[in-house]
Formats: sequence, C-alpha cells, structure tokens
Amino acid sequence: DAGVIQSPRHEVTEMGQEVTLRCKPISGHDYLFWYRQTMMRGLELLIYFNNNVPIDDSGMPEDRFSAKMPNASFSTLKIQPSEPRDSAVYFCASNPGGYQETQYFGPGTRLLVL
Amino acid sequence: AQSVTQPDIHITVSEGASLELRCNYSYGATPYLFWYVQSPGQGLQLLLKYFSGDTLVQGIKGFEAEFKRSQSSFNLRKPSVHWSDAAEYFCAVGGGYQKVTFGTGTKLQVIP
Repeated sequence: DAGVIQSPRHEVTEMGQEVTLRCKPISGHDYLFWYRQTMMRGLELLIYFNNNVPIDDSGMPEDRFSAKMPNASFSTLKIQPSEPRDSAVYFCASNPGGYQETQYFGPGTRLLVL
Repeated sequence: AQSVTQPDIHITVSEGASLELRCNYSYGATPYLFWYVQSPGQGLQLLLKYFSGDTLVQGIKGFEAEFKRSQSSFNLRKPSVHWSDAAEYFCAVGGGYQKVTFGTGTKLQVIP
C-alpha cells in the first residue's frame, strides 16, 4: 500500500489567495483526519470524517477553512482567503475504524503564506 | 475532556545511554494510549499502543512503554539510544471513539 498521499508537499502563496490541500487516504480506511502543526500550538485536530461524512469540525479555526470528502479516496482542505497566520504543516491521517484507533499519517503539506 | 501532558519539551542523551520520555494523561475511563515518532520533514509514525492487558507494551525500534493507572502515566523507554532515534516523540490518548488527543511532543537530541 502506498500509504496516505498528500499534495502538494510544499505550497507558497500570497495573502488573500485560495489554497487547496489534497489527501488520498489508505484504501479501506473509514476515517480521515486533518491536522495542523505549528511551533506555537503543536498538533491540532481540525476536522475528521467517517465514511465521507464530517463528524467533528470543532477544530476548524474559522470560516475561511473548509473541508470536503466527496468520496472514500479523496479529501480536500481549502483556505480562502489565506492569511500569514495559516502558515503551518498540514497533515492528513486515516484510520481503519473499529477499536484500532491507530492513525496513519501522510507526509504533510508545508504551507507558507506571505 | 481527555488530555495529555508531556512535561519535557527537549531532552538530550548520549548515544548508548538509556532513555525515558514522560507522558501523563487525563481520561475518565480506561484510556487507549499511543506513542508516535516524527522524524524531520515526515509525518507521525506509530511506535506502540496500549489498549488493555499487559501494562508493559513493546513497540518497534526497541521501544517499550509502561501503563501505570495509579500514576496516570505512560512513559516511553529505550535501554540504549541510537543516533537515528533523534526525532520528536508524541504521546496520545483516545477512548475508542477514533478521536485522539496528542501531547505537545518531546524533541530528542542524541549526542555522540
């Protein structure tokens, strides 16, 4: 299995631009998570899905952030408009469900908003 | 609400020395506990996990952790550290509901 795939790996954009991060979970995994990692706040859960349905989006910082999962093999995290304080590493992780709870992380997208 | 505390932000050990990373959790019932490792520029990788049973858990790369309910702790140990163990280590707690809470991490530096 290829593991969790994220694209792009690096993104540099200017303030006010729209940013879209993409994730392909491991095939057969029912859960998908989006995290943000910064030096100041550590690893924060933004949102997670079960069977393509958003379950908990309480970690999404504000309305500028949105996430979708149109099918079992693809999810996006969008920031519109982007701001410098959104600069962080964004991780996607998937989980097969049940009581395993082991999360399999992608390599992350390093976002820099100028 | 569940929470995890990793009191040590940064630890330095000599290669070949033993290692213990501390983790304390808060959870109302029997927790599911995890240790993950993150190498620079990489995502997190599971080292080991505890769900039930034997309180001493063996993981990959020679790591082990011991669940102590009375102390609400789940400390990670390794008897002899290798230079390749230099990374950031995260403790995490869950409760069977898929949502896991991560600690703030401990950065491990290994000196020759």
